[in-house]
Amino acid sequence: EPEVTQTPSHQVTQMGQEVILRCVPISNHLYFYWYRQILGQKVEFLVSFYNNEISEKSEIFDDQFSVERPDGSNFTLKIRSTKLEDSAMYFCASRLTTSGSHEQYFGPGTRLTVT
Amino acid sequence: DAKTTQPTSMDCAEGRAANLPCNHSTISGNEYVYWYRQIHSQGPQYIIHGLKNNETNEMASLIITEDRKSSTLILPHATLRDTAVYYCIVKGTTDSWGKLQFGAGTQVVVTP
Repeated sequence: EPEVTQTPSHQVTQMGQEVILRCVPISNHLYFYWYRQILGQKVEFLVSFYNNEISEKSEIFDDQFSVERPDGSNFTLKIRSTKLEDSAMYFCASRLTTSGSHEQYFGPGTRLTVT
Repeated sequence: DAKTTQPTSMDCAEGRAANLPCNHSTISGNEYVYWYRQIHSQGPQYIIHGLKNNETNEMASLIITEDRKSSTLILPHATLRDTAVYYCIVKGTTDSWGKLQFGAGTQVVVTP
């Protein structure tokens, strides 16, 4: 069964460093998402991506964040200058759009630890 | 998207049915009820969705009341692996971009 994959599973970085989190969505899906979950808190939407551009983003997704689909298979989230409060699980998800269906398929997540 | 209300937690005995309620009294006609779950430290997992008819798949059944103001997710024979946080989310078909807004959900603990 096709699945969303994410790498790395755990990333440790120092404050101020840039990180790139990688995702491979399900191959025929058209909508891509990033969510994050700070330890003990709710899953929060960050950004959605469709047709090679951002379709929606949350207040969390400020200028420090960017997304890219560089090669038609990977979907990346870049954090330019990490802060301690960026420490969280980051989940990628993808969706095959059919008549407004909202079934999203999530990856296993990347745990980002900023020290 | 309509707001949902779920109990904070519930316990269920292994092998028994788990019935998870969700209230969505402000749901509108074009909004579906979706259920996801999140096993500890894993990504959320889609379970099932429905509009007004009852739905069943290999994972669960979804019962939606006639007035659509509430629904129940049924796990027919709960196993220890069903221990997770279960989220009820209402989404409209007109929302093309489809961000999911997760609440606190219901923490379900299945005990032996």
